[in-house]
Formats: sequence, structure tokens, C-alpha cells
Amino acid sequence: NAGVTQTPKFQVLKTGQSMTLQCAQDMNHNSMYWYRQDPGMGLRLIYYSASEGTTDKGEVPNGYNVSRLNKREFSLRLESAAPSQTSVYFCATAWGGEKLFFGSGTQLSVL
Amino acid sequence: AQSVTQLDSQVPVFEEAPVELRCNYSSSVSVYLFWYVQYPNQGLQLLLKYLSGSTLVKGINGFEAEFNKSQTSFHLRKPSVHISDTAEYFCAVYNAGNMLTFGGGTRLMVKP
Repeated sequence: NAGVTQTPKFQVLKTGQSMTLQCAQDMNHNSMYWYRQDPGMGLRLIYYSASEGTTDKGEVPNGYNVSRLNKREFSLRLESAAPSQTSVYFCATAWGGEKLFFGSGTQLSVL
Repeated sequence: AQSVTQLDSQVPVFEEAPVELRCNYSSSVSVYLFWYVQYPNQGLQLLLKYLSGSTLVKGINGFEAEFNKSQTSFHLRKPSVHISDTAEYFCAVYNAGNMLTFGGGTRLMVKP
């Protein structure tokens, strides 16, 4: 039982490059989330998906897109990476929206 | 809108001493309150939560928190910390129809 699996764990991009962060869960949860974590700012919600087939913007969606491919998978795409997107990215899942289960994170550096 | 303020960004403490990590929130409606812990190079995991009922909530690893509605606070406490408690702690607030909002985090540094 892996829980919430994120790939890759580390990534370095050049400004303007694109990439997709993958998240998969085997907990049969309906809700999935993407957060970014920056020092002193806690976790800020980028996008979320309350159920398969739906996605909604969070607090900081600009520069990102998401896809809820099926109930298990929720990907985050950076179309044209910028240095301001250097951060640690966490995927999380929940039955509803209360208790979240987190992946181990993706450390992204944009040069 | 709701917000969460963690008043201390870092809290150094000696092993076996008591500790309190402070959290204040603002919301116009009733909320659920949470503390999450993040150990180095890991994701967050739930420490404890307040949904309703008794205002004193006990969590894992000997931590507890007290909900104070009049002061809109949810401070986290432990009577005697261990080196292994070194981590970052996040307070969070949730209300139905909204998402979980996190505070900025408090880094607890336990020294021998």
C-alpha cells in the first residue's frame, strides 16, 4: 500500500522549459490537491479536484495546469517554467476536504 | 475568507522541557482545526484535529491542543519534548465548502 506517490522527487529546469509532476494514490480517495511550499509561507493550494472529472483553482493557480486523468491520478503541468516556481510541491488526497494524506514531495528548481 | 497565523517561525527548546506552539485563526463561520507535522524531507502528517466537543484534543506522540473560541486560538503543547520532535509544525483551518488553509509553519528545534 503506497498511499500517495509523487514523481519525480527532484527536478531542475531552465526558464521556459515545461514539465509535468505526477501524483498517484491507491487510497480510493475522491479529492486530490496540489500544494506548493515556500519558506515562511506554509502550504498554498494551487489546484484541487473534488472528484474524477472536475478541477478547480486554488489560491495560486497562475502558471500551472492540472489533469485529473482518473480517480487515481492527478498531474500538475508547468507549461513555461519561471524562477518564481522554484518550490517544493506536494500532492495530497482526502475523502472529503478535512484530513489530508500527503506525498513525500517534489523539489523543483528553475534556473 | 479564513486565515491562520502562527506567531513563531522558530522555537528552540531543550530536551525534556515543555513547549507551546501558538496558532491563531480568523474565520466568519465555524471551523475545524488541525495540526500537521512535517519531518525533514517528508510530506505532512496529521498530528491532531478539533472538529467539535471537548476543547482539549490529544494527538499522537504526546501532543495536545486546546481550542479557545473566544481568543480564536488553537495552541499546540507538549509537557516534555524529545529530540525526535524536531520538525516543522503547521496549523490549519477548514470549513465546509472551503479548502484547508495552512499557517506559515513553526520550526521546533529540540536541543540536547
